[in-house]
Amino acid sequence: AQSVTQLDSHVSVSEGTPVLLRCNYSSSYSPSLFWYVQHPNKGLQLLLKYTSAATLVKGINGFEAEFKKSETSFHLTKPSAHMSDAAEYFCVVSDTALGGTYKYIFGTGTRLKVLA
Amino acid sequence: SAVISQKPSRDICQRGTSLTIQCQVDSQVTMMFWYRQQPGQSLTLIATANQGSEATYESGFVIDKFPISRPNLTFSTLTVSNMSPEDSSIYLCSVGEQLRREQYFGPGTRLTVT
Repeated sequence: AQSVTQLDSHVSVSEGTPVLLRCNYSSSYSPSLFWYVQHPNKGLQLLLKYTSAATLVKGINGFEAEFKKSETSFHLTKPSAHMSDAAEYFCVVSDTALGGTYKYIFGTGTRLKVLA
Repeated sequence: SAVISQKPSRDICQRGTSLTIQCQVDSQVTMMFWYRQQPGQSLTLIATANQGSEATYESGFVIDKFPISRPNLTFSTLTVSNMSPEDSSIYLCSVGEQLRREQYFGPGTRLTVT
């Protein structure tokens, strides 16, 4: 079974400084990996995904993530944090389910706080 | 991406009662999923609901407690039965396609059981 581990439950950065949210995965084969963001009292929004194409994936709102097989990591980064980035971020791996379908396995989440 | 709506957006219910949550999508989709997000927690998959087949439940979730219907390619319901305060959570539906493996989420239903 596949799994993801988000290494930090809380991250605080100052506005304008870089953001790094860490995610490690466990998989017996090449995984599909995703980052989602959840703003307070709102639904989840897909930021970006990796599906065995380019290892550096660019997403929305200036976020990007790099798939590193040797390190089993899929860290999310952004060069300059904005106040509107404050939210909960989830790293997700897609696992094969019964009947050849799939399901998501969510990480525990990282709450990003952006300081003025 | 698909536009997904859920009804109700929130509800406060008495213990022992049942609540049915509706999930409507603006386009036909193969796969629908139901999740629970307990306060301050991550999302846990309850079941996968594919049109034309019985829902597949994850470990720890049973059909008697969380019956699901999927009558067509744009609609699904989740019922939370015989509720207790431990069922207080946000319930989210999502839709996905087999090949792309992307899922898009509804806004959620915030349930409080007193």
